[in-house]
Amino acid sequence: RKEVEQDPGPFNVPEGATVAFNCTYSNSASQSFFWYRQDCRKEPKLLMSVYSSGNEDGRFTAQLNRASQYISLLIRDSKLSDSATYLCVVNRGNNNDMRFGAGTRLTVKP
Amino acid sequence: NAGVTQTPKFRILKIGQSMTLQCTQDMNHNYMYWYRQDPGMGLKLIYYSVGAGITDKGEVPNGYNVSRSTTEDFPLRLELAAPSQTSVYFCGTAGTLVAYNEQFFGPGTRLTVL
Repeated sequence: RKEVEQDPGPFNVPEGATVAFNCTYSNSASQSFFWYRQDCRKEPKLLMSVYSSGNEDGRFTAQLNRASQYISLLIRDSKLSDSATYLCVVNRGNNNDMRFGAGTRLTVKP
Repeated sequence: NAGVTQTPKFRILKIGQSMTLQCTQDMNHNYMYWYRQDPGMGLKLIYYSVGAGITDKGEVPNGYNVSRSTTEDFPLRLELAAPSQTSVYFCGTAGTLVAYNEQFFGPGTRLTVL
């Protein structure tokens, strides 16, 4: 079993749609959680950190459920520019060891 | 500011050849990382450094070596290239412990070993 697992996708949605991605992690000692965005053939870039109480940044909402070891990302009112691969990233403890999910690919169509 | 730069962008190696992937940052970050990303997979940590003169192994260090003589540079060395090392390599940096802070990545080096 992979340490960080994501919906494989791809997700193909029309502009304006709401889409949700799920991520589960197996290491209960994990301390911090992130969503990174990766455009095709580019480097990953931080989209948002995920806090215990859940957090929102514009059209993006991240949720964390420590009991279920589950993280989610909700994108509302999808834009064409949201098309990318979304990587779930989990830190294994209070250290430098970050584990990346394989990513979920999103395509937003006109 | 250039941020994180990596050279070369692309490289094809023959089995058994060696090469050094260069990573330079001008962000004055202490923490630097090397990852590899295989097709359809997430990034895997190869080595990391918390400051000049200090390096440590990550999840997949076999077949690689690193050094950190300055804050700015963190080269990755492949001594005997193997087809299994065909991948995209990303260098990352962070200002403080990456567990709680954003990590910045270079544009990547695409390596093919034939």
